[in-house]
Amino acid sequence: GAVVSQHPSWVICKSGTSVKIECRSLDFQATTMFWYRQFPKQSLMLMATSNEGSKATYEQGVEKDKFLINHASLTLSTLTVTSAHPEDSSFYICSGSREGAYNEQFFGPGTRLTVL
Amino acid sequence: KQEVTQIPAALSVPEGENLVLNCSFTDSAIYNLQWFRQDPGKGLTSLLLIQSSQREQTSGRLNASLDKSSGRSTLYIAASQPGDSATYLCAVQGAQKLVFGQGTRLTINP
Repeated sequence: GAVVSQHPSWVICKSGTSVKIECRSLDFQATTMFWYRQFPKQSLMLMATSNEGSKATYEQGVEKDKFLINHASLTLSTLTVTSAHPEDSSFYICSGSREGAYNEQFFGPGTRLTVL
Repeated sequence: KQEVTQIPAALSVPEGENLVLNCSFTDSAIYNLQWFRQDPGKGLTSLLLIQSSQREQTSGRLNASLDKSSGRSTLYIAASQPGDSATYLCAVQGAQKLVFGQGTRLTINP
């Protein structure tokens, strides 16, 4: 199967600091990677889509200057939450797709972010 | 704009029962539909993926059907077990993105 890892699995930070979350495809090349956010008892909402070597495409309402996404290689994407605030506390999940945005996505285990 | 609805929102049944989870979507122009399982505080586990040209997929005690024209999918779980307790999410892949339903929280009572 296709495996995606995320690091860290959980993080606690102070308000105003920045946090970086890594998403790696371990056994396949992810030409497209996706970042989702999930609030308690709610479903996943797509934040942004990124293709390797290109700028990410953000969903409406997602601040691109606050949620910095880098997809520098076919196996690694990072999400940096800048100047985090308590309302950014959430479960962040990434996924990767082998051959484009329409094919099956393989999901990481998620990262729990708590901003104090 | 694609909207995905799952009914019921929560379901509690005794062990051993067969059960059906429902998913409906508003735009039939989809590439595929997936069913996922999510345990509390955990990521997603893909259960079944049905391509738009397919009618159903089976894996063990799970069977998922897709009726694209009517915008419906069902997930059938046979002989339910306590270990099946989780939230089940339906997601449809359209031209723009993967859209998730709100999920069905399933509890199987021993």
